[in-house]
Amino acid sequence: DTGVSQDPRHKITKRGQNVTFRCDPISEHNRLYWYRQTLGQGPEFLTYFQNEAQLEKSRLLSDRFSAERPKGSFSTLEIQHTEQGDSAMYLCASSLVRGGTSGANEQFFGPGTRLTVL
Amino acid sequence: AQKITQTQPGMFVQEKEAVTLDCTYDTSDPSYGLFWYKQPSSGEMIFLIYQGSYDQQNATEGRYSLNFQKARKSANLVISASQLGDSAMYFCAMMGGFKTIFGAGTRLFVKA
Repeated sequence: DTGVSQDPRHKITKRGQNVTFRCDPISEHNRLYWYRQTLGQGPEFLTYFQNEAQLEKSRLLSDRFSAERPKGSFSTLEIQHTEQGDSAMYLCASSLVRGGTSGANEQFFGPGTRLTVL
Repeated sequence: AQKITQTQPGMFVQEKEAVTLDCTYDTSDPSYGLFWYKQPSSGEMIFLIYQGSYDQQNATEGRYSLNFQKARKSANLVISASQLGDSAMYFCAMMGGFKTIFGAGTRLFVKA
């Protein structure tokens, strides 16, 4: 399967613990996005990478959240000192942009990681 | 500020009929893209259709078409010949610059 993959698919943790999620984008894609989706809502943008550079972060991404894409391939999203309000589906998406354009491009989504903080 | 509004929390349509899902947007960027995604109960986000702000013609992809009215800032999705498998959440999204924002979604129910 050459789509976007995310691991784990489900994570249950206790409040105060740290969690880390992984996203493997489609191999030739240079852009990678993280979103958070709560029940009954649309995805909310968290952050975005162009290759290994993190170019934009949402104000939703507090200091407890950090994302990396060290080699411009897979990405990790870490949440430190989790809170019950962090419970959500965390979605990763990737896209391919050619020629340095900032135009809109189709994003391919992974299956998501569902986080439950007890 | 950018904003996407989907005013229909839920819609019903009879199988084989057409249905229009509404989406309005607000942005000051001259260049932007509009997307529709489908999210079945299994949770994956499935890309349906894309419309660029400078595209002269409305986008079409099979049974999906996007009714783009730039002056009214609307980008409604039309699904023709609805099928039972079309029952899902549908999200309108806008990309301006590098950020994508999504609407709250419309849940579509297709009746047999």
